[in-house]
Amino acid sequence: DTAVSQTPKYLVTQMGNDKSIKCEQNLGHDTMYWYKQDSKKFLKIMFSYNNKELIINETVPNRFSPKSPDKAHLNLHINSLELGDSAVYFCASSQDELRPVITQYFGPGTRLTVL
Amino acid sequence: KNEVEQSPQNLTAQEGEFITINCSYSVGISALHWLQQHPGGGIVSLFMLSSGKKKHGRLIATINIQEKHSSLHITASHPRDSAVYICAVVEGGNEKLTFGTGTRLTIIP
Repeated sequence: DTAVSQTPKYLVTQMGNDKSIKCEQNLGHDTMYWYKQDSKKFLKIMFSYNNKELIINETVPNRFSPKSPDKAHLNLHINSLELGDSAVYFCASSQDELRPVITQYFGPGTRLTVL
Repeated sequence: KNEVEQSPQNLTAQEGEFITINCSYSVGISALHWLQQHPGGGIVSLFMLSSGKKKHGRLIATINIQEKHSSLHITASHPRDSAVYICAVVEGGNEKLTFGTGTRLTIIP
């Protein structure tokens, strides 16, 4: 069974549209994350979220917003898509109780292409 | 300057060679991850270290907390080892995970 899953795997859309990427984890983890991987393969954290706290990387535009309907899901909504949003987006999860040593489990990634 | 620096950025080697990828960081950490990303994009966690050395198959990871440095070694490299290897540190006291720039490894048959 897939531990962390993302849908869709590929997303191609026009500039200006609003889109969502879904993430689900079946590990019972407390914290979920969204990362953006740029063209140079550098991973940047966008958000970390658990039922207590949302931590936002201040460099992330407010067009990006995480939505968590329940503990197992953290969806990423993007409004007014721009060309520069094209990237691979990774979801991950971790178990807080394992602090300070934390292992994050990553989803397979969603390749977003904005035309 | 990134808080986590990796070297080299790109590495091409012949099959069978011993590979070393280095990671240096400037912040206090509670743990360090080595991750492997294949061309399809999926990321696999190879190791998580907080001290010393770990070995898994042909992969060895070491960390020196005092020197703020970690290395990933691959013995008897194989073309299937071709991937991007990423070092990531967990900053002490919080959940922040900071990633290095990655090392693209290509093993030629």
